[in-house]
Amino acid sequence: AQSVTQPDIHITVSEGASLELRCNYSYGATPYLFWYVQSPGQGLQLLLKYFSGDTLVQGIKGFEAEFKRSQSSFNLRKPSVHWSDAAEYFCAVGGASGNTPLVFGKGTRLSVIA
Amino acid sequence: SQTIHQWPATLVQPVGSPLSLECTVEGTSNPNLYWYRQAAGRGLQLLFYSVGIGQISSEVPQNLSASRPQDRQFILSSKKLLLSDSGFYLCAWRAGSASLRGYTFGSGTRLTVV
Repeated sequence: AQSVTQPDIHITVSEGASLELRCNYSYGATPYLFWYVQSPGQGLQLLLKYFSGDTLVQGIKGFEAEFKRSQSSFNLRKPSVHWSDAAEYFCAVGGASGNTPLVFGKGTRLSVIA
Repeated sequence: SQTIHQWPATLVQPVGSPLSLECTVEGTSNPNLYWYRQAAGRGLQLLFYSVGIGQISSEVPQNLSASRPQDRQFILSSKKLLLSDSGFYLCAWRAGSASLRGYTFGSGTRLTVV
């Protein structure tokens, strides 16, 4: 069965510092991988996605993620964090068809301090 | 452009009362539709999904049911709410024929059962 592990429940970084959020997945076929961000009380917004091709994908808000098949990982990175990046981040894995819904990790809450 | 609507935004219901949450999508046809629940510290739990009218797949047997009476309408229901049904309910859609897209989420319904 597919699963996603986000090992860090809560991360605190200083504004301007770099960020890496970890995501490991388990999936029996070619994975479709996603990162979403959620502000308090809001729905989820898609940051970036990976299906195939270049293993380094760029997303919105200056985020990027790297797919490493050998490590079953899809870590999210940002070189310089802004206070507005404070939110909950979810990694998800799924398949191509509607019958393979996305499975989400439990999320990583990011706090940004001055 | 496509939009997804979810209502109500917040709901406080007594234990044992019925529930009906509605989700509609505009600007597309034959979408794949999903209901997720988000409880504190537990990430997103897939409840139901539908790939077509009248087609409902249940992921977690529990006190809830779902229906898809029209192509772009997805309803989450309960006959008698339990305290454990409290949570943040999110509806999402994905184009049925364009699986390379991720999900688009509604803004969610915060349900508190008292």
